[in-house]
Order: sequence, then structure tokens, then C-alpha cells
Amino acid sequence: TQLLEQSPQFLSIQEGENLTVYCNSSSVFSSLQWYRQEPGEGPVLLVTVVTGGEVKKLKRLTFQFGDARKDSSLHITAAQPGDTGLYLCAGVGQAGTALIFGKGTTLSVSS
Amino acid sequence: EAQVTQNPRYLITVTGKKLTVTCSQNMNHEYMSWYRQDPGLGLRQIYYSMNVEVTDKGDVPEGYKVSRKEKRNFPLILESPSPNQTSLYFCASSFWQGYGYTFGSGTRLTVV
Repeated sequence: TQLLEQSPQFLSIQEGENLTVYCNSSSVFSSLQWYRQEPGEGPVLLVTVVTGGEVKKLKRLTFQFGDARKDSSLHITAAQPGDTGLYLCAGVGQAGTALIFGKGTTLSVSS
Repeated sequence: EAQVTQNPRYLITVTGKKLTVTCSQNMNHEYMSWYRQDPGLGLRQIYYSMNVEVTDKGDVPEGYKVSRKEKRNFPLILESPSPNQTSLYFCASSFWQGYGYTFGSGTRLTVV
């Protein structure tokens, strides 16, 4: 069974700080996705990365896919209270079947 | 508006009473999937479908049934609900799982 380990599980920071969330596995993924979820709502897709070493930027968010396609990171620059939420990584295995989710990182940004 | 619509949003039922949670998407997506989300366990896939009449089990399929008779609809059926199926359920759709899913707003199910 493929697993995705996210760290840290919880993160509480002040507005303006930078942070990085990690998503690691011992398995290779054909693609990896990052979602953000607010309480009581469905996850919303932020980005999909498919190429080893790929870096994508979405305003203050930077996503990186590891060279070996086993890990990914999400870096937020100058966090704002609106960034508060649950961040989830999800990967599709090389067999291209199930989409597996990590357990998530709960981010709280206070002003 | 492109969306995945689940109904109902909230449901309280009794053990053993069959229920169906409906899911519909208007984006002509091939892939559809059901997940349950539980504290400490995260999102776990129940069933997924790659196209009409093609379904497959996810990680936690026991106690659930699905059908995909039309491309837009993917209902989740609990034939005999039990309290351990109390959870937050999400339906999602995509052109391809590797591209990224669009999720519905969720159904909070309580089985007493």
C-alpha cells in the first residue's frame, strides 16, 4: 500500500512568517497534487505536479516535486490569516489507479 | 458553473436503514470517486469509477455500493448502515485522477 506522510501535522505561526510543509513517501508517484480545505467544505485543488524536479508558483505559494517523484513540498512566503486551513497532498501511483491522500497539515496564521 | 453536487448535505439515520447519497457533476468528467474523511485518518477512498459501468474498490469499500449508469451521476449506497459509517463523505470528479479532482461540498452522515 502506498502511503503519503505529511509533516508537520500542525503549524501555528504569525502573519508574515514563512513556512514549509512536506509530503514524503517511499513510493514513486506519477503525479502529485496539493489541496486546501476549510472546515465543513470539500478540498480545493491548488496545483498538480507531474515531472520530477518540477517547481510551480501560485502567488506566495511555491510547490516542488522531488527529482525521484517520491516527495513534494509546499512553501508559503509571508503567510496571511487567509492562508489558514488544512493542506493536503495526494498522489497517483504509477499504476494510475487510486488517488491516495496524506493526513494533512493544519495551518493557523494569526494576525 | 462547473461543480460537483452532493445531496443531502446532512443526514441522520438509524442502523440498518438503507440510504443513498447522490452525486452529480456537470463537467463531463470520466473519473468519479467517493471518499470518507475521519479525524486522525484523513481522506480515504471508498470507490472510484473510470467511466460508465466501470467501477473499482478503493481502500475502504466494505459496507458500501456504487453504480455508474450515466457519466454525470455516481450515487453511494449504504445497504445497511452501521454507526462506524458515521463520517464526512465527499464525492469528486476529474478528467483523470492524476490531473486533480473537483470535490463536492460534502455529506455529513450520522448513523445512530
